[in-house]
Amino acid sequence: DVKVTQSSRYLVKRTGEKVFLECVQDMDHENMFWYRQDPGLGLRLIYFSYDVKMKEKGDIPEGYSVSREKKERFSLILESASTNQTSMYLCASSLTSTGGYEQYFGPGTRLTVT
Amino acid sequence: AQSVTQLDSQVPVFEEAPVELRCNYSSSVSVYLFWYVQYPNQGLQLLLKYLSGSTLVESINGFEAEFNKSQTSFHLRKPSVHISDTAEYFCAVLKRTGANNLFFGTGTRLTVIP
Repeated sequence: DVKVTQSSRYLVKRTGEKVFLECVQDMDHENMFWYRQDPGLGLRLIYFSYDVKMKEKGDIPEGYSVSREKKERFSLILESASTNQTSMYLCASSLTSTGGYEQYFGPGTRLTVT
Repeated sequence: AQSVTQLDSQVPVFEEAPVELRCNYSSSVSVYLFWYVQYPNQGLQLLLKYLSGSTLVESINGFEAEFNKSQTSFHLRKPSVHISDTAEYFCAVLKRTGANNLFFGTGTRLTVIP
């Protein structure tokens, strides 16, 4: 089974802090994604990556950056956390190939910025 | 551009009653279609998908969805719901060509009432 793990289930940070959210997948997937989930808004794509050291902006990249130094790991960085970044953050991965096109999701990190 | 509309944000239904969760999409290109389910305090799991072939697709737990190209819809149905079906359901589309990122609807919270 594909496994996507996220470093924390719950995180509380103060405004202005630098925050790192880590995501690791164990199935050698090329693609990795970061979403944020807010009530009534569904999932919105922040950044995604098709390969090591490669990144693309999603729909809402402002205030975020990412890092992908190894294929299995994709980090989301909040350079200076703000209260409007309080949200559930979901990481996902998928294969680039013909086949299922399915994205596999981690359990999520609920971040609260006070 | 792609967009996904889930008109019903909340659907309460009695146990053993039928349910339909509606999903409409718009896209200038052909798409693949997905339904994901999110149980409380968990990440998203793939419920079913339409890639090609038969327009009626089924999941292992009794849900089905039908791709209707003329109406650009992919409604999710179950003839008899269980308490354990209580969850949030997300419809998503993926372009057949180009970027590998999903576009999600805003979700429908299904609550099964005993």
